[in-house]
Amino acid sequence: DAGVIQSPRHEVTEMGQEVTLRCKPISGHNSLFWYRQTMMRGLELLIYFNNNVPIDDSGMPEDRFSAKMPNASFSTLKIQPSEPRDSAVYFCASSLPGLAGGPRSEQYFGPGTRLTVT
Amino acid sequence: EDQVTQSPEALRLQEGESSSLNCSYTVSGLRGLFWYRQDPGKGPEFLFTLYSAGEEKEKERLKATLTKKESFLHITAPKPEDSATYLCAVSFEDDYKLSFGAGTTVTVRA
Repeated sequence: DAGVIQSPRHEVTEMGQEVTLRCKPISGHNSLFWYRQTMMRGLELLIYFNNNVPIDDSGMPEDRFSAKMPNASFSTLKIQPSEPRDSAVYFCASSLPGLAGGPRSEQYFGPGTRLTVT
Repeated sequence: EDQVTQSPEALRLQEGESSSLNCSYTVSGLRGLFWYRQDPGKGPEFLFTLYSAGEEKEKERLKATLTKKESFLHITAPKPEDSATYLCAVSFEDDYKLSFGAGTTVTVRA
């Protein structure tokens, strides 16, 4: 079975440009998570979707970040305008349905997108 | 403040030299404790979930245990392919919200 798919794997862009990261969760998983990983702050949850609906976006750094999930098999994370401090590895993860429709605890991560903003 | 602390930061082992990694947490009302393995340039790979003190899980050379304040990941007779960063995470209020530790980078020399 294919795991979580992310694209692009690497993105280099200039400050001020718009960046769009893409994710395809594992088929049958109804929860999707976007994380950011840096050396300084480790892995941080940015936003969580359940059944395509954003449930918790408290980790989104600021208004420059937005995320969408138009259907069960696709999600995007957009940064506009991008800044050098956004440079990080961005992971998408998904999980199976759990009790009462929420997520199972185990999350399965994609390979990540390494973003460099110059 | 940090909710999850992992130690040591790095661990260098000779092949066959067993050792343990520690994950201590300060949250109350733990819902679950998770161990992940992360290889360079890849996403974290799920290993174990532990829910209650006294629980143990095993997978090949890895064994995870949980007490009320910490978890240990024991690596028995490690091989070079066990080299990776091992991440610990906890959930408390909401099952989905994982707080990750900084990780322990394990290097196993042949």
